[in-house]
Amino acid sequence: QVQLVQSGAEVRKPGASVKVSCKASGYTVTDYYMHWVRQAPGQGLEWMGWINPNSGGKNSAQRFQGRVTMTGDTSISTVFMELSRLTSADTAVYYCARGNGSYPPTDYWGPGTLVTVSS
Amino acid sequence: DIQMTQSPSTLSASVGDRVTITCRASQSIGSWLAWYQQKPGRAPKLLIYKASTLESGVPSRFSGSGSGTEFTLTISSLQPDDFATYYCQQCNSYPFNFGPGTKVDIK
Repeated sequence: QVQLVQSGAEVRKPGASVKVSCKASGYTVTDYYMHWVRQAPGQGLEWMGWINPNSGGKNSAQRFQGRVTMTGDTSISTVFMELSRLTSADTAVYYCARGNGSYPPTDYWGPGTLVTVSS
Repeated sequence: DIQMTQSPSTLSASVGDRVTITCRASQSIGSWLAWYQQKPGRAPKLLIYKASTLESGVPSRFSGSGSGTEFTLTISSLQPDDFATYYCQQCNSYPFNFGPGTKVDIK
């Protein structure tokens, strides 16, 4: 069965970076795209971007460009999302979610990784 | 950017009720809309894509309709497992914005 397992909760200080991992199983990671979506506490969902683990191609929402780096390591079926220059507004649960292509929808989601930014 | 709105923001209903949630896009997105269900502390779950196509394994009491700028999600007979927050997402153009959500709670 398809599973996405994400890394554990992180706490960072403002200005720091965080790297979240998402390990895929139950399917071939190079056959699908991976999208990233975040959700601030008590708030709605915000689409961040996607990566194609096969080609390394990627795209992100303009508001994250220059701050987000998405990478993949197909040898371990894992994708990564790194967000830099963190502020308190980046405190959120970060989800990876599998997509058929560069456009949604996304059919399988990871459980989420809570990133807390606090001084 | 395409902005998404949903109404109502909260909906109180009883088991067995027919429930309808509306999602509107700020410009036409054709049929490129998805619906997700999210329960507290859980990841969202895909219910419907391309406005009206039911995701595999999703109960048939869920249905979607609409095109252009106005869409609806209908639950024909609300079940206890359906109390959750529902989000629409436009899948037409970057960035793929979500609606603000509709919380369905127990009346």
